[in-house]
Amino acid sequence: DTGVSQDPRHKITKRGQNVTFRCDPISEHNRLYWYRQTLGQGPEFLTYFQNEAQLEKSRLLSDRFSAERPKGSFSTLEIQRTEQGDSAMYLCASSFTDNYGYTFGSGTRLTVV
Amino acid sequence: AQSVTQPDIHITVSEGASLELRCNYSYGATPYLFWYVQSPGQGLQLLLKYFSGDTLVQGIKGFEAEFKRSQSSFNLRKPSVHWSDAAEYFCAVGTNTGNQFYFGTGTSLTVIP
Repeated sequence: DTGVSQDPRHKITKRGQNVTFRCDPISEHNRLYWYRQTLGQGPEFLTYFQNEAQLEKSRLLSDRFSAERPKGSFSTLEIQRTEQGDSAMYLCASSFTDNYGYTFGSGTRLTVV
Repeated sequence: AQSVTQPDIHITVSEGASLELRCNYSYGATPYLFWYVQSPGQGLQLLLKYFSGDTLVQGIKGFEAEFKRSQSSFNLRKPSVHWSDAAEYFCAVGTNTGNQFYFGTGTSLTVIP
């Protein structure tokens, strides 16, 4: 078990460009979550999947954001037409059973210039 | 609505001294409570969790936390702090549906020799 992997670790992009992040959860976990963390704040929930189904999305997830989890394995988070306000750490987590504490990945730090 | 308050933005303690980090939550039902630690540029690591039963829970790295329903608190403690404990600490409350956590804004811990 190698934990939750996120790629890339860092991404610098120009405003208006599209970016995509990948998360590989712990293999036996059926739930996968995306959170966003801005400087000096705690993580904020974006969305979560149970297997391949996206069951909930936060109001933070504007129509420029889309997440997928094909076949219930890895997940991707895409941000279209990035804005400077999108600069943040994007954290992925997975869990096997409700409320037993997520396992977080190391995150992808996005900087929009 | 669910929320978590961590009243102390930053705490400085001497190595070997005791530590208590405060956490207050707001949640209408029985809460699921967690403490996570985050080192700079890293993801979050679970320290301990409370679901039910004994209100004093033990975690990793010598940490413990006590759930006090009457005070809506879940304070984190350690009897003797080590320099390696310097990090950001986040308290979180999970809902009984298990689909997301609500994090506090974190407490930054500095340990001085």
